[in-house]
Amino acid sequence: GAVVSQHPSRVICKSGTSVKIECRSLDFQATTMFWYRQFPKQSLMLMATSNEGSKATYEQGVEKDKFLINHASLTLSTLTVTSAHPEDSSFYICSARRAGLSGNTIYFGEGSWLTVV
Amino acid sequence: AQKITQTQPGMFVQEKEAVTLDCTYDTSDQSYGLFWYKQPSSGEMIFLIYQGSYDEQNATEGRYSLNFQKARKSANLVISASQLGDSAMYFCAMGPETSGSRLTFGEGTQLTVNP
Repeated sequence: GAVVSQHPSRVICKSGTSVKIECRSLDFQATTMFWYRQFPKQSLMLMATSNEGSKATYEQGVEKDKFLINHASLTLSTLTVTSAHPEDSSFYICSARRAGLSGNTIYFGEGSWLTVV
Repeated sequence: AQKITQTQPGMFVQEKEAVTLDCTYDTSDQSYGLFWYKQPSSGEMIFLIYQGSYDEQNATEGRYSLNFQKARKSANLVISASQLGDSAMYFCAMGPETSGSRLTFGEGTQLTVNP
């Protein structure tokens, strides 16, 4: 079963509105989560690192005021796309690292398809 | 900076045969981890296999094995006994071996398994 859950899986919003996407680690704590964006037929691009209890770290070229990240607990990070525009339509996916006996394993959520109309 | 290169945009394989998906990387880090993920059309990223840079043995997970050649900076994925359900996009990625886990992804390889 999934160890990282993402919600909603699909969302359609009107241009100019805001939409929130949640990323939860199930049965483990994640002090750090990562948010990626993937345009159709392209690779995943890291947007930001979400840090529990502190500000997110954004990659170059990613607008922090547009993509608000909140990591309020050890199991939940949220990404809010503010004042969404059609060009923000994309697949957004989060990840979290789970330490285990076999070493590093980074799990991804199911992803969220955002369509801005 | 880290860079992952996957030179095969698309690959075809017959069911039950083995296939190798290429991945080369570039990094100045001494310690790093290499990952392979499968992404079906639904979009989810399914973790397949992990190789640490200091692991002396090639990683294996069921039908998946990673052919790690550190001197050549390559980390090819080998899928044995291909199944129709293996048809998907496959991504090679790398990140710090220690905490952090920011991943850099390659462009991906679309694998099609033919019956």
